[in-house]
Amino acid sequence: AQSVTQLGSHVSVSEGALVLLRCNYSSSVPPYLFWYVQYPNQGLQLLLKYTSAATLVKGINGFEAEFKKSETSFHLTKPSAHMSDAAEYFCAVSLSGGSNYKLTFGKGTLLTVNP
Amino acid sequence: DADVTQTPRNRITKTGKRIMLECSQTKGHDRMYWYRQDPGLGLRLIYYSFDVKDINKGEISDGYSVSRQAQAKFSLSLESAIPNQTALYFCATSDFPTDTQYFGPGTRLTVL
Repeated sequence: AQSVTQLGSHVSVSEGALVLLRCNYSSSVPPYLFWYVQYPNQGLQLLLKYTSAATLVKGINGFEAEFKKSETSFHLTKPSAHMSDAAEYFCAVSLSGGSNYKLTFGKGTLLTVNP
Repeated sequence: DADVTQTPRNRITKTGKRIMLECSQTKGHDRMYWYRQDPGLGLRLIYYSFDVKDINKGEISDGYSVSRQAQAKFSLSLESAIPNQTALYFCATSDFPTDTQYFGPGTRLTVL
């Protein structure tokens, strides 16, 4: 079984400040981990994914995430927030290497960026 | 043109009505999924299909059914809609082995 916990349903930062969105996972086998972003009135778009290669993963729009097995975490960061980063962010986990691929999503974190 | 399309984008219906949501994709992927999104609950998997002959229930399939008419088409039906099925519904596709899922724009369904 697999699960994802996103800490903080709402995060507010100032423009130019560090963005840190937290995600912890539970998985019975080595996981694949994903971050998706949802802009208002749109579908989900992949930001980045971890599939057992490099533990520091770089994504689009300046975001990156680090896989930490000892902490079962996959936190999303961006050094400097931009107004356009305001959106809802979802962490997701799947079981690696299996033929029965399913994503389990966290409940989401709404990021607000203040001018 | 969008790779994953959903129709309709918005739908208001009444309790007890049958409704179908449609999803089409031009990505050539075998795998397709239906999710619902509710505020504060994230996305939950309703049904998924790994090919035309392989359809599986997700975590919240009660009250829903699906049809995989072709590799490119995957429809979700509510046989008798009820108000707690009011939600945002997303279709997604993925291929193997990259396993990245690509989402449609969503259908906002309101059941009165």
